[in-house]
Amino acid sequence: KNEVEQSPQNLTAQEGEFITINCSYSVGISALHWLQQHPGGGIVSLFMLSSGKKKHGRLIATINIQEKHSSLHITASHPRDSAVYICADSNYGGSQGNLIFGKGTKLSVKP
Amino acid sequence: GAVVSQHPSRVICKSGTSVKIECRSLDFQATTMFWYRQFPKQSLMLMATSNEGSKATYEQGVEKDKFLINHASLTLSTLTVTSAHPEDSSFYICSARREGVAYTGELFFGEGSRLTVL
Repeated sequence: KNEVEQSPQNLTAQEGEFITINCSYSVGISALHWLQQHPGGGIVSLFMLSSGKKKHGRLIATINIQEKHSSLHITASHPRDSAVYICADSNYGGSQGNLIFGKGTKLSVKP
Repeated sequence: GAVVSQHPSRVICKSGTSVKIECRSLDFQATTMFWYRQFPKQSLMLMATSNEGSKATYEQGVEKDKFLINHASLTLSTLTVTSAHPEDSSFYICSARREGVAYTGELFFGEGSRLTVL
């Protein structure tokens, strides 16, 4: 059974801190997604990656296929980064919707 | 970037009524859309895959007669919760897959629809 585990479950940081959220999965994947869920529930896709590293603004996502592990980093965190961050993996190609979702990491960035 | 719109964002209905939720891809065509459900403090779970012009594919445990999906055009999929009951109260989210030579088939998510059944 494919499982996706995230850590930590909750994270509180001060504005400006460097943040890392971890994601481990148990079954080999073809792609891993990082998503951001706003307090109102809407979801934004941040990254989809199957190897290496991707960067977008202050966000960086890395993945280690051998270790079945991915990390999401936020540099110079800001209160507007407060949200739930979810990782999800897919065994059927990154474009398939049959994703296995982690339970999310709730991030709160204090000013 | 690509946009997926869901409507309504919130709906409250009485038990026994039916509720329709729309998912639209605003600036791209999507032959495939997906519907997910999220109960409080739980992970998102895929309910069904909506295919334009054909029947939806439902995940195990999801009643297809209760959750009717129609994908009549390349930009619109609808989810109808029929004879809703309080246990159907949940957050429903759709995603659409952008396809084409220039794209990698990445997914775009809607804002979600919160259903409360009284």
